[in-house]
Amino acid sequence: QVHLVESGGGLVKPGGSLRLSCAASGFTFSDYYMNWIRQAPGKGLEWISYISSSGRTIFYADSVKGRFTISRDNAKNSVFLQMNSLRVEDTAVYYCGRYRYGGFDYWGQGTLVSVSS
Amino acid sequence: SYVLTQPPSVSVAPGKTASITCGGDNIGTKSVHWYQQKPGQAPVMVIYYDSDRPSGIPERFSGSNSGNTATLTISRVEAGDEADYHCQVWDSTSEHYVFGSGTKVTVL
Repeated sequence: QVHLVESGGGLVKPGGSLRLSCAASGFTFSDYYMNWIRQAPGKGLEWISYISSSGRTIFYADSVKGRFTISRDNAKNSVFLQMNSLRVEDTAVYYCGRYRYGGFDYWGQGTLVSVSS
Repeated sequence: SYVLTQPPSVSVAPGKTASITCGGDNIGTKSVHWYQQKPGQAPVMVIYYDSDRPSGIPERFSGSNSGNTATLTISRVEAGDEADYHCQVWDSTSEHYVFGSGTKVTVL
């Protein structure tokens, strides 16, 4: 069955960097677009980035553009999120989501990123 | 940027019907997707393309979309339906996915 597992979260100071990973299994990873979506504590969902199956098409939310970089390695069935210049407001649970049916049909369990001095 | 508006909360008695709205400018021209999120868990897609159900989602969950409002309807509500529900669309103008703010459904 489809399985997405995020890792790489943790506590970081403002201005710092983190690299999140999402390992996929149970489906042909290279056939699917992938996304990162986050949820600040007690808040709603916020889509932050999308990458096409080949990696050639990428979109970012305005809130992270220029600071975050999405990438994927189809040979390793993984998608990544490099997060630089982190801000307190980036504190959230970060989910990877598989794109299908116009939305996100499978989600990982999430990884918590805390940005605090 | 495109904005989706959801009521913060909806309360419903067991066995009754819950309706959760998602408002947006001409949302009827977009495809709307809905997610259920229970506390401490990842979201689960319950409706896609306005009214289709993924495999494994009960028929009690249905959706509609017209004009400026999309609606998720949960029939014969059960205690296990208590959760946050989020609507989502693709905004082609900004090339962004957009979520509503979420609605907490409480089963009385």
